[in-house]
Amino acid sequence: DTAVSQTPKYLVTQMGNDKSIKCEQNLGHDTMYWYKQDSKKFLKIMFSYNNKELIINETVPNRFSPKSPDKAHLNLHINSLELGDSAVYFCASSQDLRAPNTEAFFGQGTRLTVV
Amino acid sequence: AQSVTQLGSHVSVSEGALVLLRCNYSSSVPPYLFWYVQYPNQGLQLLLKYTSAATLVKGINGFEAEFKKSETSFHLTKPSAHMSDAAEYFCAVKDTGNQFYFGTGTSLTVIP
Repeated sequence: DTAVSQTPKYLVTQMGNDKSIKCEQNLGHDTMYWYKQDSKKFLKIMFSYNNKELIINETVPNRFSPKSPDKAHLNLHINSLELGDSAVYFCASSQDLRAPNTEAFFGQGTRLTVV
Repeated sequence: AQSVTQLGSHVSVSEGALVLLRCNYSSSVPPYLFWYVQYPNQGLQLLLKYTSAATLVKGINGFEAEFKKSETSFHLTKPSAHMSDAAEYFCAVKDTGNQFYFGTGTSLTVIP
């Protein structure tokens, strides 16, 4: 049983295309996140959702649009892909604000390569 | 705003030697601190977490970390490195808004 699963694991696409990454968690968590990890391994928060509501939207281009159909899913859609979007994208989840000492659980990552 | 600083982006140790990975945090309130490990081509996996119950925290794979409020530190240690410990290690702090802030990571190399 995978706690946080994301698909696809690898994604190779051309510049200008639109693509989506899906994420699902079966932990019953209320908060979900998208992180971007660059080639230097730096982890940058992109979005945070709590109970389907957007909590954090860091300085991410509006070509990136998260969608949370329910609290177990947080998908990431990217329009007009650019070379600089190449990275590993991680989905994560954690319990809600009432359990502040709980950790985040991460998916296995989606390696996006834009050519 | 919360933040963590990891000193040393690359650390090399010999197999069997002590592992010490440094993390300092910036927090205005008692922090929730975490260490994660990332093996190649995998996601992040929790090693251990500090939640104010005890200052010395034991984690998986023989790792432990000590919370030192006076030094605002949460350094990760392991008495004897194994080849399988080679990975990227991340320190993280969590704020009261349920947001995680990660350090820049430390790549650990274990030399046979």
